Amino acid sequence: EAGVVQSPRYKIIEKKQPVAFWCNPISGHNTLYWYRQNLGQGPELLIRYENEEAVDDSQLPKDRFSAERLKGVDSTLKIQPAELGDSAVYLCASSPRSNEQFFGPGTRLTVL
Amino acid sequence: DAKTTQPTSMDCAEGRAANLPCNHSTISGNEYVYWYRQIHSQGPQYIIHGLKNNETNEMASLIITEDRKSSTLILPHATLRDTAVYYCIVRVGGTDKLIFGTGTRLQVFP
Repeated sequence: EAGVVQSPRYKIIEKKQPVAFWCNPISGHNTLYWYRQNLGQGPELLIRYENEEAVDDSQLPKDRFSAERLKGVDSTLKIQPAELGDSAVYLCASSPRSNEQFFGPGTRLTVL
Repeated sequence: DAKTTQPTSMDCAEGRAANLPCNHSTISGNEYVYWYRQIHSQGPQYIIHGLKNNETNEMASLIITEDRKSSTLILPHATLRDTAVYYCIVRVGGTDKLIFGTGTRLQVFP
């Protein structure tokens, strides 16, 4: 069974540029999460989807971050414009219900 | 939300049991204890979870004290591939929200 797929794995951009991350969850998993992980820290939840509905986006910085999951399957997280402090690993996870979460390998973003 | 306290780092010899402690003294009656681990450059991986009783699966055992204020994750025969950061998480009651701390960095040496 394929796991959670994320792309790209690495991204380097200059500040003020836009960037987008893509996630394809495990087939059949209705719940999808985006996390941000700063160096030396644990992951922090940004947004959670149940199918196509964002049910928890309280930690998403809405001035520059946006996310969508239009058909309730794959999802995109966007940052526009990026700032130096956005450098981090962005992780996507999915789960079939409210139990075990399966994480992808993450996208490492470096903002110069 | 219940907080967890873990040692920053631990070492373990290959083939020996690794015992990773976690304190969660403010845990509520309906909150579960979850353990995840994160190997370098990978996403976190689920290991095990429990409520009151001790649990065992193919990866590890989870021992929860009777008062539920602490728990221990046991890797019975650690290998070099078990080198990772181990996160003890108390899952917010009634939701699937996971709040990660900084975890314990386990180094398994030959």
